[in-house]
Amino acid sequence: DAKTTQPPSMDCAEGRAANLPCNHSTISGNEYVYWYRQIHSQGPQYIIHGLKNNETNEMASLIITEDRKSSTLILPHATLRDTAVYYCIVRGGGTSYGKLTFGQGTILTVHP
Amino acid sequence: SQTIHQWPATLVQPVGSPLSLECTVEGTSNPNLYWYRQAAGRGLQLLFYSVGIGQISSEVPQNLSASRPQDRQFILSSKKLLLSDSGFYLCAWSVGTSTDTQYFGPGTRLTVL
Repeated sequence: DAKTTQPPSMDCAEGRAANLPCNHSTISGNEYVYWYRQIHSQGPQYIIHGLKNNETNEMASLIITEDRKSSTLILPHATLRDTAVYYCIVRGGGTSYGKLTFGQGTILTVHP
Repeated sequence: SQTIHQWPATLVQPVGSPLSLECTVEGTSNPNLYWYRQAAGRGLQLLFYSVGIGQISSEVPQNLSASRPQDRQFILSSKKLLLSDSGFYLCAWSVGTSTDTQYFGPGTRLTVL
């Protein structure tokens, strides 16, 4: 699976949009971009995933660049409960069945 | 809707004692099941996965084992715990192919003293 690069930390004001970037320059054509988040002492929570088109669900939007080498997760109206570690993951079938590899992620802190 | 349960939520065990962590999934049939460990300050490490009853694949050789006695039940065990077994143990499920979305349980915090 391709490696991803994320900033170690970001801040956001409550009510504002949080834009979390992720670089995945070695992504291959059949690999998806997944986003999870983990609130302290809880299990990771799935947010969204995409292949090459932009995606939106009730939690967030995912913008993938045309060359697929980077993406941005957008939380449109951040709340204090969105404070968490956000993980960007690139994965395909690979040789290890379904393995998710989490990097260090981005610590998002939402301020009042 | 699907839900995943793990218990216990927290556990403190002495070195050399046995371990049994349980994970159950509701609302789906024939899920793929996974055990991960997250050590403090580190990423997620896949320990075991299962695509069906009695079918277990190990990712990392260690003193842990896994079993799947029923379709929606996944158990993580050890005969003798080590200090290095401390961590946050997460069970996850998915359906379909290996690239399908995985959904995690609440986790078990294990401290080995």
